[in-house]
Amino acid sequence: QVQLQESGPGLVKPSETLSLTCTVSGGSVSSDRYYWLWIRQPPGRGLEWIAYIHYSGSTNYNPSLKSRATISVDTSKNQFSLKLRSVTAADTAVYYCARDTCSGGRCDGFDPWGQGTLVTFSS
Amino acid sequence: QSVLTQPPSASGTPGQRVTISCSGSSSNIGNNFVYWYQQVPGTAPKLLIYRNNQRPSGVPDRFSGSKSGTSASLAISGLRSEDESDYYCATWADSLSGWVFGGGTKLTVL
Repeated sequence: QVQLQESGPGLVKPSETLSLTCTVSGGSVSSDRYYWLWIRQPPGRGLEWIAYIHYSGSTNYNPSLKSRATISVDTSKNQFSLKLRSVTAADTAVYYCARDTCSGGRCDGFDPWGQGTLVTFSS
Repeated sequence: QSVLTQPPSASGTPGQRVTISCSGSSSNIGNNFVYWYQQVPGTAPKLLIYRNNQRPSGVPDRFSGSKSGTSASLAISGLRSEDESDYYCATWADSLSGWVFGGGTKLTVL
């Protein structure tokens, strides 16, 4: 059973860079069928897709965050990461990592998800 | 404002059938699969329906999904108290080249 676990600082100062890591256990990030995603949810609000990455290095970003976000994968550690630069209070959210399984252009949905990590901003 | 439009709330009594709608456009729902997620407040979302109407293993057949044109629906039959959650639809948006979610629907079991 694949499990995902987010890690990172719970508190970040405005204008700094947020760094989060998702550790994958019970499975490998290096599978051709899997795409690894970051999704966030501001308190009391809905879900927002941030980015995804394939172990080959192929990436895709939400246009609204593309200029500030970088997603990467470390196959040796079975992890993938997110960096979000120049953060503000508007970036306060629970950040989730998740997996999508795709084959032949058909995807099976985001499953599983990590438990999520709350990131807040304070000077 | 979300690309996909969902009603903010829905309700029903135990045993009833409830439907939640998700409205989009030809460049998202109209041209791509729809997914549904269930989120109990304070926990991570859970995949409920994939590719319009497919249920992952372990999801009760009380949950069903459908799509017609640029809209999709999630139906829950035999409503139970544990179904009280937030529900989100999602799809690929061709115009954004990325995934988009609906704003979410809070389901209350009366």
